[in-house]
Amino acid sequence: AQSVTQPDIHITVSEGASLELRCNYSYGATPYLFWYVQSPGQGLQLLLKYFSGDTLVQGIKGFEAEFKRSQSSFNLRKPSVHWSDAAEYFCAVGRPTGTASKLTFGTGTRLQVTL
Amino acid sequence: DTEVTQTPKHLVMGMTNKKSLKCEQHMGHRAMYWYKQKAKKPPELMFVYSYEKLSINESVPSRFSPECPNSSLLNLHLHALQPEDSALYLCASSQPGLATGEQYFGPGTRLTVT
Repeated sequence: AQSVTQPDIHITVSEGASLELRCNYSYGATPYLFWYVQSPGQGLQLLLKYFSGDTLVQGIKGFEAEFKRSQSSFNLRKPSVHWSDAAEYFCAVGRPTGTASKLTFGTGTRLQVTL
Repeated sequence: DTEVTQTPKHLVMGMTNKKSLKCEQHMGHRAMYWYKQKAKKPPELMFVYSYEKLSINESVPSRFSPECPNSSLLNLHLHALQPEDSALYLCASSQPGLATGEQYFGPGTRLTVT
């Protein structure tokens, strides 16, 4: 069975500082990995995805993530955080189910940005 | 247009009411999903429709009844809900097949059952 672990429940960083959010996955085959962001009371927005190829993927809003198969990790990074990045971040692993897909989410990491 | 819309934004209903949530997408996606999200938790999958047919029901109580009238619309009919059903209900859509199957989410409907 697939699973996702986000070890950090809550992270606080200063505006302008760098950020790394951790994600570890368990999946028997080639993983399909996603990072989503959710602002309070809002839906989820896709930041980036990894299917294959280059292990460093670029996303929206200046985020990037690196897939490391040997560590079963897909950590999210941003070199300089903005106050508007404060939100909940979810890592997810997907698998096909027939003609649809099924996402398994981690428990999320809440990012707080101090000015 | 990568937008999924949901109506209403907020809904308050009594335990004996019948109400419906609506979701719409115009991206040509043929897979649509309903999720339930409680506060400070990740979304939990409820239902999946693929090509307008129900393909996954995650053992959801029958007081939740999904409907997919066409490839752009997804409804969730609610009847005799319990207070513990209060949550954010999210709709998502994707192209069939995982390679392009990243899911796009709507803003959600905040449901309160009194």
